[in-house]
Amino acid sequence: ETGVTQTPRHLVMGMTNKKSLKCEQHLGHNAMYWYKQSAKKPLELMFVYNFKEQTENNSVPSRFSPECPNSSHLFLHLHTLQPEDSALYLCASGSGSSLVNEQFFGPGTRLTVL
Amino acid sequence: QKEVEQDPGPLSVPEGAIVSLNCTYSNSAFQYFMWYRQYSRKGPELLMYTYSSGNKEDGRFTAQVDKSSKYISLFIRDSQPSDSATYLCAMKESGDTGRRALTFGSGTRLQVQP
Repeated sequence: ETGVTQTPRHLVMGMTNKKSLKCEQHLGHNAMYWYKQSAKKPLELMFVYNFKEQTENNSVPSRFSPECPNSSHLFLHLHTLQPEDSALYLCASGSGSSLVNEQFFGPGTRLTVL
Repeated sequence: QKEVEQDPGPLSVPEGAIVSLNCTYSNSAFQYFMWYRQYSRKGPELLMYTYSSGNKEDGRFTAQVDKSSKYISLFIRDSQPSDSATYLCAMKESGDTGRRALTFGSGTRLQVQP
């Protein structure tokens, strides 16, 4: 596997379920990101991790809980979600130190909350 | 007012046409300007970036930044059906002291008709 991978690609869950999204990067990067992409809206940055430490939380509701056990893996734990949380969730990685902050994205998980 | 404004389209052009995609922004601290391309069911991929004002060319693609007008453009020459995708602009403040996160536009969907 190369680049950034995400599993599952599609997820349907009820409002009372608990599920987790997984992201893995094979690029040797130090920074990892979670974004939410909704139709016709800009990408919303949710969380940033640098060297496994969370450096940014963009006022994300506590029903979204990130976990970064090492620089290559990132999880997003989901519980008691709302229908408005349905969106494409994108993971990205980057060097974390470059001036440009070039980010490499995974294919995303399409989440539907019923 | 959004920090970055981008016309969502769709923009439909015939094969071979010159395409112009644009973003306007309000934050004068933005110094790095990027264009990402996102195919259906894929994550965004970085096409090119520019620093501060000026032009940058890469094959059929030219990125242009006018900081005085807070306006950036991406031109695609000799457009191909394979260019059909959503194009996202993204911007970032200067590396050391500014906010390091990327701010994205909502994306313009481009359709190149064969």
